[in-house]
Amino acid sequence: AIQMTQSPSSLSASVGDRVTITCRASQGIRNDLEWYQQKPGKAPKLLIYAASSLQTGVPSRFSGSGSGTDFTLTISSLQPEDFATYYCLQDYNYPGTFGQGTKVEIK
Amino acid sequence: EVRLVESGGGLVQPGGSLRLSCATSGFAVNSNYMSWVRQAPGKGLEWVSVIFSDGSTYYADSVKGRFTISRHNSKNTLYLQMNSLRTEDTAVYYCGRELRGGGMDVWGQGTTVTISS
Repeated sequence: AIQMTQSPSSLSASVGDRVTITCRASQGIRNDLEWYQQKPGKAPKLLIYAASSLQTGVPSRFSGSGSGTDFTLTISSLQPEDFATYYCLQDYNYPGTFGQGTKVEIK
Repeated sequence: EVRLVESGGGLVQPGGSLRLSCATSGFAVNSNYMSWVRQAPGKGLEWVSVIFSDGSTYYADSVKGRFTISRHNSKNTLYLQMNSLRTEDTAVYYCGRELRGGGMDVWGQGTTVTISS
């Protein structure tokens, strides 16, 4: 199975900060990568699909980039509602695999 | 409105079985990929299984041979039959609609499975 290595595992940031989270795949996955946001006790929410396409209704401060093995989720200006845990998921082939998650906390 | 509602979770002894259901509304369950994802207490998300619109199925290595994903088209319901359950299967189980190339855009609220003696 493809391994997804996500970093950092956690970060502290302030409102207004630019935040970057990365995922690295153990082999090339084209652009078959998604980013999800999860808040405590809630189901995950799709933010980005196909590595860089913004899901309908998601604020434009979220963006994704990358192809092949290296991918990035960027939040251009962190807002209070963005404090959550973020996961990448590859579905280039199955079984699908999530990254370990990045918890974004308030500094 | 597109909606997913899971049910069937509960407390089961190790070695037991459980069937989870995911009732869908607003779309046809057999026209999309449908997935199960789980989250153990305090842990990250784990991909479990998917069924394609053509009926093909895939499983995580951790559940292969023990879990079976299926659907009932006329009931518009997705299932996950879980056999030979282990304590490490304890988790919240989510179902999700997966758009090929478009990610899991709709999720259920989750159902809790606890495996304990």
